[in-house]
Amino acid sequence: DAGVIQSPRHEVTEMGQEVTLRCKPISGHDYLFWYRQTMMRGLELLIYFNNNVPIDDSGMPEDRFSAKMPNASFSTLKIQPSEPRDSAVYFCASSYRPSNYEQYFGPGTRLTVT
Amino acid sequence: DQQVKQNSPSLSVQEGRISILNCDYTNSMFDYFLWYKKYPAEGPTFLISISSIKDKNEDGRFTVFLNKSAKHLSLHIVPSQPGDSAVYFCAASEGEGGSEKLVFGKGTKLTVNP
Repeated sequence: DAGVIQSPRHEVTEMGQEVTLRCKPISGHDYLFWYRQTMMRGLELLIYFNNNVPIDDSGMPEDRFSAKMPNASFSTLKIQPSEPRDSAVYFCASSYRPSNYEQYFGPGTRLTVT
Repeated sequence: DQQVKQNSPSLSVQEGRISILNCDYTNSMFDYFLWYKKYPAEGPTFLISISSIKDKNEDGRFTVFLNKSAKHLSLHIVPSQPGDSAVYFCAASEGEGGSEKLVFGKGTKLTVNP
């Protein structure tokens, strides 16, 4: 299996622009997670899905952030409008029960908002 | 408030010696714990885990110890190798009775010197 695939790997955009991050989970996995990593806050969960349905979005920082999972093999995280404080590495991870909560992470997207 | 704390941002050890990484947690509902390893420009990868019904779990050079009364766990790497140089994240889950969420610490950067 190719593992979790994320695109793009790097994104540089100007403040106010819309940013869309993409994720393809491992085939057969029924959970998908979006995380953000910053120096200040570490690795924090933004939202997660089970069978394409959002279960917990309490970590989404504000309304500028939205996530969708239209099917089992694709998810997007959108930021509109983007701000410099959104600069971070965004990870997607997937897992399946009964996995004992082991999540498989993608390589991440490094987002820079200028 | 941070529920999972890794109080040492960095650790440096000599090749062949033992590396001990520590993690403390505050949520008494956590009953499953994991360690992840992260190399630069890659996503975290699962290393080892432990259930709260155990106090030790061993996998090759890696051993995780859990002290529930102290709400403390540690990862021992013996012997340490230069390839072990990475950031190590401690993570915790509420297990079967809770959600699929993992709460991560901020990580400890381990450097193993040849």
